[in-house]
Amino acid sequence: NAGVMQNPRHLVRRRGQEARLRCSPMKGHSHVYWYRQLPEEGLKFMVYLQKENIIDESGMPKERFSAEFPKEGPSILRIQQVVRGDSAAYFCASSRLSLLAGVEDTQYFGPGTRLTVL
Amino acid sequence: AQSVTQLDSQVPVFEEAPVELRCNYSSSVSVYLFWYVQYPNQGLQLLLKYLSGSTLVKGINGFEAEFNKSQTSFHLRKPSVHISDTAEYFCAVRDSGSRLTFGEGTQLTVNP
Repeated sequence: NAGVMQNPRHLVRRRGQEARLRCSPMKGHSHVYWYRQLPEEGLKFMVYLQKENIIDESGMPKERFSAEFPKEGPSILRIQQVVRGDSAAYFCASSRLSLLAGVEDTQYFGPGTRLTVL
Repeated sequence: AQSVTQLDSQVPVFEEAPVELRCNYSSSVSVYLFWYVQYPNQGLQLLLKYLSGSTLVKGINGFEAEFNKSQTSFHLRKPSVHISDTAEYFCAVRDSGSRLTFGEGTQLTVNP
């Protein structure tokens, strides 16, 4: 009974490089959410995706960040030209149902990817 | 817009003592409420949730929380803590949308 899988667990990049973070939702879940946790802070919502669709990206930085959830394969959070301020833990969560319109369902979280930018 | 305030950033207690972690929220609509626990270098694990019904919610590891609509609070309690309860605890709220809004977290440290 695998939970939400994220890889890599730790990622080190130099300034200007690209970071790709992967998330495989729980079996039977087709809704994925990305959150970012900066040091000493709580989690902040970034983006909500369904298969092949971005539903809500209101928490995504306007530049350098993008996310996708293709028909096949994991969801990818991509950060181009990373800067030191991107160093954080990035968590993925999934749910079985769409959580729009007040549906009672729960987001289950993965172990996170800890990105360090040198 | 909704927000969550966790009133204590650090809560040190002795083993077998009771503990309460406080959480207040603000929202103009009905919400769902959650407590998650994060052990060092790990992801978030759901402790308990309030979606509807009884305002007293029981979760895993002996934790419980009470939803108080008039005080807009959702405090987490445990009658007797163990060393293994040492972790960061996050309160979160969700309205009819999809995103969770988290508090800043409370570090619970249980000392022998």
